[in-house]
Amino acid sequence: GAVVSQHPSWVICKSGTSVKIECRSLDFQATTMFWYRQFPKQSLMLMATSNEGSKATYEQGVEKDKFLINHASLTLSTLTVTSAHPEDSSFYICSARRQGAYEKLFFGSGTQLSVL
Amino acid sequence: QKEVEQNSGPLSVPEGAIASLNCTYSDRGSQSFFWYRQYSGKSPELIMFIYSNGDKEDGRFTAQLNKASQYVSLLIRDSQPSDSATYLCAVNMAHRGSTLGRLYFGRGTQLTVWP
Repeated sequence: GAVVSQHPSWVICKSGTSVKIECRSLDFQATTMFWYRQFPKQSLMLMATSNEGSKATYEQGVEKDKFLINHASLTLSTLTVTSAHPEDSSFYICSARRQGAYEKLFFGSGTQLSVL
Repeated sequence: QKEVEQNSGPLSVPEGAIASLNCTYSDRGSQSFFWYRQYSGKSPELIMFIYSNGDKEDGRFTAQLNKASQYVSLLIRDSQPSDSATYLCAVNMAHRGSTLGRLYFGRGTQLTVWP
């Protein structure tokens, strides 16, 4: 089956630091990856769409300068939370769409970010 | 108006019963609909997807879609305690662009199946 690996699974950092989260498709090429954020007892909120080799498309209200997305290859996308603050503490999840798999998404295991 | 709405629950059913989960969406042009299951602290896993009006069955799960009413549901037959989780409805909304896989999720319905 299609496997998406996301690292780290959890991270604690001080306010003002930057945190990078990696999302890798291990056994397929992902033309498109998506980044979501989920607060406790809330739904997944789509943050951005990442296409390999091009700039990410951000959803309304998501600061592109704060949430830097890089999709340098067909198997890797990264999300960097710059100058993190406590309000950025959340569960971040990536998903990947496999080439030719229409709209089926495969999710990473998520990253719990806690900013002190 | 929220774009994808679900009753947050909790929904509690006894083991062996049918659990019915409902979802409505705002974009009449939406074409594809998904049900995901999410355990606490874990990422979602796909249960079913449906594109056409009517019913789609897969094992104990049946998805129902009514585009005229902008309504999609998930029925779980012979519910088991292991089905206890949060069920997320997701929609690929046409008005948000045609990027495949760009899904918008409801808040989820928490289901508890008690033995």
